[in-house]
Amino acid sequence: AQSVTQPDIHITVSEGASLELRCNYSYGATPYLFWYVQSPGQGLQLLLKYFSGDTLVQGIKGFEAEFKRSQSSFNLRKPSVHWSDAAEYFCAVGAALTGGGNKLTFGTGTQLKVEL
Amino acid sequence: EPEVTQTPSHQVTQMGQEVILRCVPISNHLYFYWYRQILGQKVEFLVSFYNNEISEKSEIFDDQFSVERPDGSNFTLKIRSTKLEDSAMYFCASRRLASSYNEQFFGPGTRLTVL
Repeated sequence: AQSVTQPDIHITVSEGASLELRCNYSYGATPYLFWYVQSPGQGLQLLLKYFSGDTLVQGIKGFEAEFKRSQSSFNLRKPSVHWSDAAEYFCAVGAALTGGGNKLTFGTGTQLKVEL
Repeated sequence: EPEVTQTPSHQVTQMGQEVILRCVPISNHLYFYWYRQILGQKVEFLVSFYNNEISEKSEIFDDQFSVERPDGSNFTLKIRSTKLEDSAMYFCASRRLASSYNEQFFGPGTRLTVL
């Protein structure tokens, strides 16, 4: 069974500081990995995704993530955080396309607070 | 840019009542999903739907839940007899079958409150 762990429930950073949100996954094969962001009262917006190839993937809003198979991790990073980045961030793992439903399994989320 | 839409944005109901949550997936998408998020908890998979049948469902998706694609555009989630613990945000998502990636596009959600 696939699972995702986000060890940090809350993170507070100062505006302009760098950010790293941790994500560890468990999956028996090569995973499809995603980061979503959810602002208060809003839906889930895809930040970036990893399927194969280059292990460093770029996303929207200046975010990037690095897939490390040896560590089963897919950490999200941003060099300089903006106040508008305050939101909840979810890491998710999906199964490869094998004809099944290909559900996403989400982590518990990390709430990011940005101090001005 | 096409997007998934959901109605209503907020639904309040009495325990034991039936509710239907509606979703309009992106028009050329063929795989549909429902997820839910209880307040303060993670997003959980409920069900996936393809070719007019359920392809996968979670243990949460018991006999009180059903899904339907009544026409060419809507995708609905019905809860027959709501319980207090059904209070949650319900997200619909869709995926383009031809896509080689498992990218799902999510709607804004329907907040269901069961009193």
